[in-house]
Amino acid sequence: QKEVEQNSGPLSVPEGAIASLNCTYSDRGSQSFFWYRQYSGKSPELIMFIYSNGDKEDGRFTAQLNKASQYVSLLIRDSQPSDSATYLCAVNGRTKEYGNKLVFGAGTILRVKS
Amino acid sequence: EAQVTQNPRYLITVTGKKLTVTCSQNMNHEYMSWYRQDPGLGLRQIYYSMNVEVTDKGDVPEGYKVSRKEKRNFPLILESPSPNQTSLYFCASSLFGRAGGSDTQYFGPGTRLTVL
Repeated sequence: QKEVEQNSGPLSVPEGAIASLNCTYSDRGSQSFFWYRQYSGKSPELIMFIYSNGDKEDGRFTAQLNKASQYVSLLIRDSQPSDSATYLCAVNGRTKEYGNKLVFGAGTILRVKS
Repeated sequence: EAQVTQNPRYLITVTGKKLTVTCSQNMNHEYMSWYRQDPGLGLRQIYYSMNVEVTDKGDVPEGYKVSRKEKRNFPLILESPSPNQTSLYFCASSLFGRAGGSDTQYFGPGTRLTVL
């Protein structure tokens, strides 16, 4: 079982719709969860992070975390063509004593059609 | 401007010819890391460094070496590159890098390496 799983997509949504991206993780001890956006050929850039169960909103983006179900999602409201990218879910895993081991999912391709 | 830089951005080389990809950050970050990205596999950690002279293996360290002699630099060394090391490589840094921490990892622009 992969440590962080995402549906590869592509997920296609019309402009103005809500895009829902999902991610599950295997390590119950994971504490921090991140969503990165990556345009083709570019480096990942952080959109949001979340540590507590529930929702966290930032502009058009909402991250949702359910630790009991080991599930984290990202909602993008009023999707725009410029949101078309690959979205990477990352989970802060544990190393031997300490260490910021970010484990990434393979990413979900989002396409917003105008 | 706060940033992570990598050089070269693109490199085509041949099997067995030693190469170094440089990574530098100007944010005084303690933690630095190298990832490789391959289609369908996502980003996988190669090596990381918690601070100067402290490095450790990530998930896919075979065939790679790193060093951290200065806080700002974290070069990736391929002593004898092979075609299966053809990939897109990213360097990243964050302030502290402690487990469970919230500090953001900032990524460099990437180095696309082709080994023939």
